[in-house]
Amino acid sequence: SQQGEEDPQALSIQEGENATMNCSYKTSINNLQWYRQNSGRGLVHLILIRSNEREKHSGRLRVTLDTSKKSSSLLITASRAADTASYFCATVELQGAQKLVFGQGTRLTINP
Amino acid sequence: EAGVAQSPRYKIIEKRQSVAFWCNPISGHATLYWYQQILGQGPKLLIQFQNNGVVDDSQLPKDRFSAERLKGVDSTLKIQPAKLEDSAVYLCASSRVGHRGGAPTDTQYFGPGTRLTVL
Repeated sequence: SQQGEEDPQALSIQEGENATMNCSYKTSINNLQWYRQNSGRGLVHLILIRSNEREKHSGRLRVTLDTSKKSSSLLITASRAADTASYFCATVELQGAQKLVFGQGTRLTINP
Repeated sequence: EAGVAQSPRYKIIEKRQSVAFWCNPISGHATLYWYQQILGQGPKLLIQFQNNGVVDDSQLPKDRFSAERLKGVDSTLKIQPAKLEDSAVYLCASSRVGHRGGAPTDTQYFGPGTRLTVL
């Protein structure tokens, strides 16, 4: 079963603009991770945020986590054509199965 | 550092045939994962190994799927017999240590995947 639901399913913006993707989940989590997948390739880990953290930064990426709303957002600032990819959130539940559960992803297109 | 290697990259078979995928994780990584990614969806964990032992295979269709990780290094995933709904990309990933305190916190490194088409 898939726990995370990304929103929007697809996003198209101009190069240089900021891109925001959201992820909602259903159960209590230990941590939430964001991955990027370029067309025809494997996934690349971007950032991990733990349940006791509210915000993390990595370069042009900013991730927030609101455990009360069971949601997370990924912000990519000053987007580049190379950021075109699918972005997935993945959660690790606090109880039960200790494994990554991926959402369906957001397809991001950066137009030059 | 070499990444996760997978072969073949593409495979086309007819339903009811058998197929096998191979994965070589990053050297020294104790944990190996196999995921199934159907078009338009996120990856779904099929099986997780810690060294050569199975940690989680709860979502592996055991009537047709099998996997092994002999000697705790590379791994093979087999489908026998294949069904149309098995068409997907099969991703292998590895991490140094799977769990700390019960939750996966180590980064998983993914291979390029094997795209399987079942006709």
